[in-house]
Amino acid sequence: NFMLTQPHSVSESPGKTVTISCTGSSGSIASNFVQWYQQRPGSAPATVIYENNQRPSGVPDRFSGSIDSSSNSASLTISGLKTEDEADYYCQSYDSTNRVFGGGTKLTVL
Amino acid sequence: EVQLVESGGGLIQPGGSLRLSCAASGFTVSSNYMSWVRQAPGKGLEWVSVIYSSGSTYYADSVKGRFTISRDKSKNTLYLQMNSLRAEDTAVYYCAIEGRFPQFDYWGQGTLVTVSS
Repeated sequence: NFMLTQPHSVSESPGKTVTISCTGSSGSIASNFVQWYQQRPGSAPATVIYENNQRPSGVPDRFSGSIDSSSNSASLTISGLKTEDEADYYCQSYDSTNRVFGGGTKLTVL
Repeated sequence: EVQLVESGGGLIQPGGSLRLSCAASGFTVSSNYMSWVRQAPGKGLEWVSVIYSSGSTYYADSVKGRFTISRDKSKNTLYLQMNSLRAEDTAVYYCAIEGRFPQFDYWGQGTLVTVSS
């Protein structure tokens, strides 16, 4: 079964840049689109990146997504970190009819 | 405005059944791909099931044969019938609208299901 692996946690200081990785277990992660969701405590997830690198309206351009076929991974980069960015982040893709989430990464902004 | 409101969660004994509802407004459930996603306490997101606009349904292996996704066109509502519930089914259950690809564009606020004796 296709799986996505994320680091359990990352931390960085306000104003800095952080990158969260999402590695596919098999095949090519570039074969299907990858999405990224932000989830704050007590809230439903919300999309910050869809279709690898597209931002929904209302998401600041500090958020960007990319795909690296050589490492079979996707990345979410957040620049100019703000304390409000502190949250859990999940990557998501699909394999046939299955929708697959990464295990989530807790971002701490300190 | 798109809105999804889940209901039907609660405390249920192992082996019991529960039906979750997701009332939609601002769009037509039967014209979209609709999914259920769950999140166990303190854990990550897990996709549960999807129903296509065609009516085709698919399930995660963990719930296959026990859960059934359906919809009511007249009520514009999505359902998840959950049978033979286990402790590991304890989670917040979210309904979500899928976009033009398998991605979750809009989410409800979730409903908590607790399976415990």
